[in-house]
Amino acid sequence: GQQVMQIPQYQHVQEGEDFTTYCNSSTTLSNIQWYKQRPGGHPVFLIQLVKSGEVKKQKRLTFQFGEAKKNSSLHITATQTTDVGTYFCALFTSAGKSTFGDGTTLTVKP
Amino acid sequence: DAGITQSPRHKVTETGTPVTLRCHQTENHRYMYWYRQDPGHGLRLIHYSYGVKDTDKGEVSDGYSVSRSKTEDFLLTLESATSSQTSVYFCAIGSETQYFGPGTRLLVL
Repeated sequence: GQQVMQIPQYQHVQEGEDFTTYCNSSTTLSNIQWYKQRPGGHPVFLIQLVKSGEVKKQKRLTFQFGEAKKNSSLHITATQTTDVGTYFCALFTSAGKSTFGDGTTLTVKP
Repeated sequence: DAGITQSPRHKVTETGTPVTLRCHQTENHRYMYWYRQDPGHGLRLIHYSYGVKDTDKGEVSDGYSVSRSKTEDFLLTLESATSSQTSVYFCAIGSETQYFGPGTRLLVL
């Protein structure tokens, strides 16, 4: 089945710095989703991207889907302590089967 | 949050005993999923269901079975628990946008 590689595994930043996590696939993806999981919590859906080159923004978060639909990124501008957690990308087949990346854990130093 | 509950929320059991985890939803979603989450492995799909009595395997299905006799309930059974099945188990509903339950922490001694 399709696989996604997510990098980096961990990222530690100073509050106010930017943060980016990348999701890469060797095959063309029909869609990509992003989730956030706070420490001790459950994953929460952030966004879905389906179009080649698509860019979506949610306040300080910018999501991109590559032109070839083989990669995606999540960029956070000026991180805050509320941004801590693990960010996952995920893909779903037409049959409903899901694959999640291993996640990028973000820690923010005040 | 979507209406998803998991029970029990915590469980300690011994190797070799059967364990059943329950996921209950009030959203009438067709798709339901079971994942396990371990450090360094993210979320790994165990089994999923696309309707009553319709289930399929995920990437880590060995040692697990599932049943879905009605839309709102999806059961995950460990027939004979092993220490390697110590994990946090999440249920989720929905296929295009997934909503997760609060999780069950299972410790197999």
